[in-house]
Amino acid sequence: AQRVTQPEKLLSVFKGAPVELKCNYSYSGSPELFWYVQYSRQRLQLLLRHISRESIKGFTADLNKGETSFHLKKPFAQEEDSAMYYCALSQGGSEKLVFGKGTKLTVNP
Amino acid sequence: NAGVTQTPKFQVLKTGQSMTLQCAQDMNHEYMSWYRQDPGMGLRLIHYSVGAGITDQGEVPNGYNVSRSTTEDFPLRLLSAAPSQTSVYFCASSRTVGSGELFFGEGSRLTVL
Repeated sequence: AQRVTQPEKLLSVFKGAPVELKCNYSYSGSPELFWYVQYSRQRLQLLLRHISRESIKGFTADLNKGETSFHLKKPFAQEEDSAMYYCALSQGGSEKLVFGKGTKLTVNP
Repeated sequence: NAGVTQTPKFQVLKTGQSMTLQCAQDMNHEYMSWYRQDPGMGLRLIHYSVGAGITDQGEVPNGYNVSRSTTEDFPLRLLSAAPSQTSVYFCASSRTVGSGELFFGEGSRLTVL
């Protein structure tokens, strides 16, 4: 069965420090992975997808098939990065996304 | 464009009552879906639709019905509400199958007493 694990419910860092939000997945096929973000009082929105290999708001994520991981990284965290982050897996390239339980990131001044 | 619009934003029901959560999108998206979000559980897929007239079950469909008579609308019906259905419900749509980019509504917070 497809599963997405985000081991940290809460993550707190100081402004300017590096941040890494962990995501591990379990999927027998070829995975497509995404990071979604929900800022306070805003809608859940797509942050980035592994296929496009892009950097959004300074965040990057690399798919590591050997370790079945898709960790989200940013070298210098900003206070505006404080939000809830969800890792998600697409089942067979469809829109049926399986979400992790989320990690709440707090960036302290 | 309003995007994905959900109504109501808040609702309190008594056990056994029925209600419909409305979802509409004005982006001409083919794919629409409903998720529920519970503390510590993340988002779980209830039902989804890949186009008008086509619906299918997600991970947690029991107690919910859906229909898709138009491209724009995808209502979620609770036939006989139970306290276990207390949750925040999110409707989401996607322009093309395979993009993985879901556009979410603001959510509907439902409490069943």
